[in-house]
Amino acid sequence: TQLLEQSPQFLSIQEGENLTVYCNSSSVFSSLQWYRQEPGEGPVLLVTVVTGGEVKKLKRLTFQFGDARKDSSLHITAAQPGDTGLYLCAGARGTYKYIFGTGTRLKVLA
Amino acid sequence: GAGVSQSPSNKVTEKGKDVELRCDPISGHTALYWYRQRLGQGLEFLIYFQGNSAPDKSGLPSDRFSAERTGESVSTLTIQRTQQEDSAVYLCASSFGSTKNIQYFGAGTRLSVL
Repeated sequence: TQLLEQSPQFLSIQEGENLTVYCNSSSVFSSLQWYRQEPGEGPVLLVTVVTGGEVKKLKRLTFQFGDARKDSSLHITAAQPGDTGLYLCAGARGTYKYIFGTGTRLKVLA
Repeated sequence: GAGVSQSPSNKVTEKGKDVELRCDPISGHTALYWYRQRLGQGLEFLIYFQGNSAPDKSGLPSDRFSAERTGESVSTLTIQRTQQEDSAVYLCASSFGSTKNIQYFGAGTRLSVL
């Protein structure tokens, strides 16, 4: 059973455009992480959000954790080709277990 | 090395053969995770180690899958009698031990079962 659904699955945009990726669940998570994965590499952590309603900014990336801690979004402003990759959300269940989302594959065209 | 190391990076095997995948975590990391990633998909949790013990093996797909960790360091994931549906990238991650800490991932082993 997939507990974390991401949308869209695929996204192809032009450099300079804005985009939002969503991560939704019917379950509550103690924290939520976003990762970016490039071909042939393991995922790399971008951010961890812990508090319901929390917003974190990382340069052009803005992450939000839903008030009920069941969903999250990632907004990228003025996308660049270097943002291309697979974006994964991961919800923490308990003290050690992570449930990963289905992934959003982003391609930014120059 | 400084990061999580996995070997081999690629493995091609015939259906029915056994395979062993190795993970060298970051030194001092007590927690070690194995995940499976099918083509273009998210990560599927397989097993978690705290030290040399595996308190959660719930993600192992069948009894053909097993894993061990020794010396609170190296871990081996073994798949017996491989099937075509086992084809995937197997990723290992390590951390200091709880979801409050960052997981560092290896580059994975790409397994192809012919």
